[in-house]
Amino acid sequence: AQSVTQPDIHITVSEGASLELRCNYSYGATPYLFWYVQSPGQGLQLLLKYFSGDTLVQGIKGFEAEFKRSQSSFNLRKPSVHWSDAAEYFCAVPRGDSSYKLIFGSGTRLLVRP
Amino acid sequence: KAGVTQTPRYLIKTRGQQVTLSCSPISGHRSVSWYQQTPGQGLQFLFEYFSETQRNKGNFPGRFSGRQFSNSRSEMNVSTLELGDSALYLCASSWGTSAEQYFGPGTRLTVT
Repeated sequence: AQSVTQPDIHITVSEGASLELRCNYSYGATPYLFWYVQSPGQGLQLLLKYFSGDTLVQGIKGFEAEFKRSQSSFNLRKPSVHWSDAAEYFCAVPRGDSSYKLIFGSGTRLLVRP
Repeated sequence: KAGVTQTPRYLIKTRGQQVTLSCSPISGHRSVSWYQQTPGQGLQFLFEYFSETQRNKGNFPGRFSGRQFSNSRSEMNVSTLELGDSALYLCASSWGTSAEQYFGPGTRLTVT
């Protein structure tokens, strides 16, 4: 069955430092992959998506992610974190039987030190 | 283009009552999905509607139901509320065959 693992529950970085959030997936074929961000009390905002093609995808707010099939990973990166990036980040993959059902990882909460 | 809207944003109900939540998708989107988010279980898929038909359903009891109207607006209903139903209920819409989903702000349901 499809699954998504985000091994880091919390990550703390200093403002201006680089960021990498990990995501590993289990999927039978080449997956669609998504990263969402959720600010406290808010819904989820789509940061970026991978469907096919170039394995390095650019998203909003200066985020990027790289799809690595050999490692079953889709890690999210940002070269310089801003205090406003503090939020919870979710990696997601569609279920195999329907592209409309998303399986989410457990999330990584990002804290930003001033 | 307006985003996904959900009403109400906050709701407090008592055990045993029922509740109806509403979701209006992005204009032109025909698929609406519902998710439950809790601290313990995370984000879990409830069901998905496309052109007024339920296409997929998650592993939730029959107390959870939904429907979609001809204008793609959707409602979900929870009957006989339990304390464990307290959660953030998120609605997401999608266009056509795209797996890309756009989420609303959610409805925070508290059951006392």
